[in-house]
Amino acid sequence: QVQLQESGPGLVKPSETLSLTCTVSGGSISSYYWSWIRQPPGKGLEWIGYIYYSGSTNYNPSLKSRVTISVDTSKNQFSLKLSSVTAADTAVYYCARTTVTLPDYYYYYMDVWGKGTTVTVSS
Amino acid sequence: QSVLTQPPSASGTPGQRVTISCSGSSSNIGSNTVNWYQQLPGTAPKLLIYSNNQRPSGVPDRFSGSKSGTSASLAISGLQSEDEADYYCAAWDDSLNVYVFGTGTKVTVL
Repeated sequence: QVQLQESGPGLVKPSETLSLTCTVSGGSISSYYWSWIRQPPGKGLEWIGYIYYSGSTNYNPSLKSRVTISVDTSKNQFSLKLSSVTAADTAVYYCARTTVTLPDYYYYYMDVWGKGTTVTVSS
Repeated sequence: QSVLTQPPSASGTPGQRVTISCSGSSSNIGSNTVNWYQQLPGTAPKLLIYSNNQRPSGVPDRFSGSKSGTSASLAISGLQSEDEADYYCAAWDDSLNVYVFGTGTKVTVL
């Protein structure tokens, strides 16, 4: 079955760029959408954005100016970059396989999740 | 930006039925399908219900979802100790152009 694994630095300095990668195993990255979600300590879930294997993206407007999600189909990976981070970006970051119907988003859900990776923003 | 409102907590004894509400608006629940995620302590969320009332393979039929207008509900019948978790509703919001999660409900088995 499909499994996802997040990887990247666990500590990032303020004002720098957070970079994470999600590796998809047990299946192809093609023909699916892939999302990033985060959860600050003790708080709820926040959707960051998604990417289609072809490269099309959609980002949370509240993060859009700082977020870039990219895909590398040759490596079966997709990545998240979040620039100019502050302490408010400290969170567990999850990647997830996503089913979505376009253009209306009537169906949108994440059915396979990674275990998550903790990122702390601190000097 | 939690635009989907859930009660912060719910509880029940083993075997009881517990219901969690999720209140939204015409731009999210009123327009799109609702999903529910279960997050056991210290673990990643897991898809519990999708498309309002569909269970992924492996999810016990003790869990059921429903939707009416701009609200949705998750019911857990025959509550078990392993159901202690946080539960989140979620749906796409057409106005915000964002996938929104509910505020979350912590279920405690007494």
